[in-house]
Amino acid sequence: NAGVMQNPRHLVRRRGQEARLRCSPVKGHSHVYWYRQLPEEGLKFMVYLQKENIIDESGMPKERFSAEFPKEGPSILRIQQVVRGDSAAYFCASSDGANYGYTFGSGTRLTVV
Amino acid sequence: QQQVKQSPQSLIVQKGGISIINCAYENTAFDYFPWYQQFPGKGPALLIAIRPDVSEKKEGRFTISFNKSAKQFSLHIMDSQPGDSATYFCAASNFNKFYFGSGTKLNVKP
Repeated sequence: NAGVMQNPRHLVRRRGQEARLRCSPVKGHSHVYWYRQLPEEGLKFMVYLQKENIIDESGMPKERFSAEFPKEGPSILRIQQVVRGDSAAYFCASSDGANYGYTFGSGTRLTVV
Repeated sequence: QQQVKQSPQSLIVQKGGISIINCAYENTAFDYFPWYQQFPGKGPALLIAIRPDVSEKKEGRFTISFNKSAKQFSLHIMDSQPGDSATYFCAASNFNKFYFGSGTKLNVKP
């Protein structure tokens, strides 16, 4: 039973490009969460999604960031026109919504040059 | 506004010693308090968790102590080992949304 799969593990983008981060939840999990972690800092909530719905996006920057979790396929976190300040590790977690256990992926480390 | 405050930021413990990490929260609606362990380059992994209806939970060398009236909880690592060297995050949750502490970097010296 594979855990949460995130890809790519490392992503380098030039300023102004788009970054697309993918997350495949644990099989059977329909709840997905994205967190951002800056170096030497904790995890900051970004968005909570269920299949085809955004439940809570209170942690998402108002511009350039979007997330989706389609009926089929992985959840996508999309960052348009990246800037240096977007450089961070982005973690996805999933749960079945029935109990409180989160399973985290290994993260995507985004570097903006 | 930081929902969960964690201390210390870093901790050095000798092998065999006890590591203690503390967290405090504000929102009394939180009903689940997990601790996560993160190694460099990896995602956080659930270590142990507690609900507010109990004051202590122990799993092997790891114990959570929970003080509901003080809105505080702590992680105790007994007989700390070099392999425990990692960053530890406390968290608090309600309605499937987690708030994380800022993390404690633990270094267990051999």
